[in-house]
Amino acid sequence: GAVVSQHPSRVICKSGTSVKIECRSLDFQATTMFWYRQFPKQSLMLMATSNEGSKATYEQGVEKDKFLINHASLTLSTLTVTSAHPEDSSFYICSARVLYGGAEDNEKLFFGSGTQLSVL
Amino acid sequence: RKEVEQDPGPFNVPEGATVAFNCTYSNSASQSFFWYRQDCRKEPKLLMSVYSSGNEDGRFTAQLNRASQYISLLIRDSKLSDSATYLCVSHTGGFKTIFGAGTRLFVKA
Repeated sequence: GAVVSQHPSRVICKSGTSVKIECRSLDFQATTMFWYRQFPKQSLMLMATSNEGSKATYEQGVEKDKFLINHASLTLSTLTVTSAHPEDSSFYICSARVLYGGAEDNEKLFFGSGTQLSVL
Repeated sequence: RKEVEQDPGPFNVPEGATVAFNCTYSNSASQSFFWYRQDCRKEPKLLMSVYSSGNEDGRFTAQLNRASQYISLLIRDSKLSDSATYLCVSHTGGFKTIFGAGTRLFVKA
């Protein structure tokens, strides 16, 4: 199956710093990448959807100026948490959408391995 | 009301037990459904798709009832390695993916 490589797997940073998380599709082109956040014992919450070459679409309640998403190429999408604060500490994970045969009813999600962010 | 709701759990069962997870969805426009498994601080992994006709994969059986907007997952002969969080997932048009909060399963020797 398709592989999505996500880095770093874990990051600890001081309050006020910015953190960049990368997701790369290794053997396929990901035209659409989803970014999620998961707090302990809670579900994955979709933060934004990014399409290659266009601006990301953010879910309600997610600050686009704080969570910068760049999807400049078909194999790389990045999420930058700007001026991180302790409340931003969470598990961040990306996933790429793959259509098989170009059909919307035959599609799968491939997940990165996640990034555990801890802001001190 | 959440779009996808699951049993809160946790479920604590002995090895060899049969355990059933339930899930309901509120958006009638939901088109397809899946069960994912997630281990602690790991990415979700697709366990199986869910079809109206029901589908089985080894010890796992998934059912979908569109009239009741209800999805189930049955695990037979539980193994220690089945311990994880099980996520019920719905896709709507435009590939909007909604994850349930997950149900934690602990299988004990």
